[in-house]
Amino acid sequence: AQKVTQAQTEISVVEKEDVTLDCVYETRDTTYYLFWYKQPPSGELVFLIRRNSFDEQNEISGRYSWNFQKSTSSFNFTITASQVVDSAVYFCARGGSNYKLTFGKGTLLTVNP
Amino acid sequence: EPEVTQTPSHQVTQMGQEVILRCVPISNHLYFYWYRQILGQKVEFLVSFYNNEISEKSEIFDDQFSVERPDGSNFTLKIRSTKLEDSAMYFCASSRDLDTQYFGPGTRLTVL
Repeated sequence: AQKVTQAQTEISVVEKEDVTLDCVYETRDTTYYLFWYKQPPSGELVFLIRRNSFDEQNEISGRYSWNFQKSTSSFNFTITASQVVDSAVYFCARGGSNYKLTFGKGTLLTVNP
Repeated sequence: EPEVTQTPSHQVTQMGQEVILRCVPISNHLYFYWYRQILGQKVEFLVSFYNNEISEKSEIFDDQFSVERPDGSNFTLKIRSTKLEDSAMYFCASSRDLDTQYFGPGTRLTVL
């Protein structure tokens, strides 16, 4: 199976700290897609970002940034100046030619005031 | 902004009963999916659906499960005879093409 690994099960930070969530993926596809979703305590899955395998350009959106490195099969997510509202489970996922998403086990981020 | 909706938000049923979980995907989307998340675990793919047929299904999606698009707007997941281990959050998702899947808020299924 082509796995997505999120090695950090839980991370706890103090507000305003920067935090990086790691994601390593396996794939045999030439073309694939990588995603991050946020699952707040209310339970829904909120789409954050999608990257295509042919686009290694890093992206910044406000306090969020993503670092995609094909050479190490990693797609890491950094939150700058974390806030309490960032507390959630964050899932990395991979999609390929077969339309299904394979999710990592998630990282529980707790931001303390 | 259009969104995926799911009903009910919480379903409680007795073991062996049939349940139908309902979803209304985003209106111009063509691909539909069901995923499940057992409490505290990762999100797992169940099935994808396109052009009125299943495109792919996982090992979890056995003969007890079926999906249907009964009209132009709804997409349903039926579990024929529920088991205790079917207790989970079930998420519906839709996408326009091979791109971003947008998820509904989920239905929490509790099998007693």
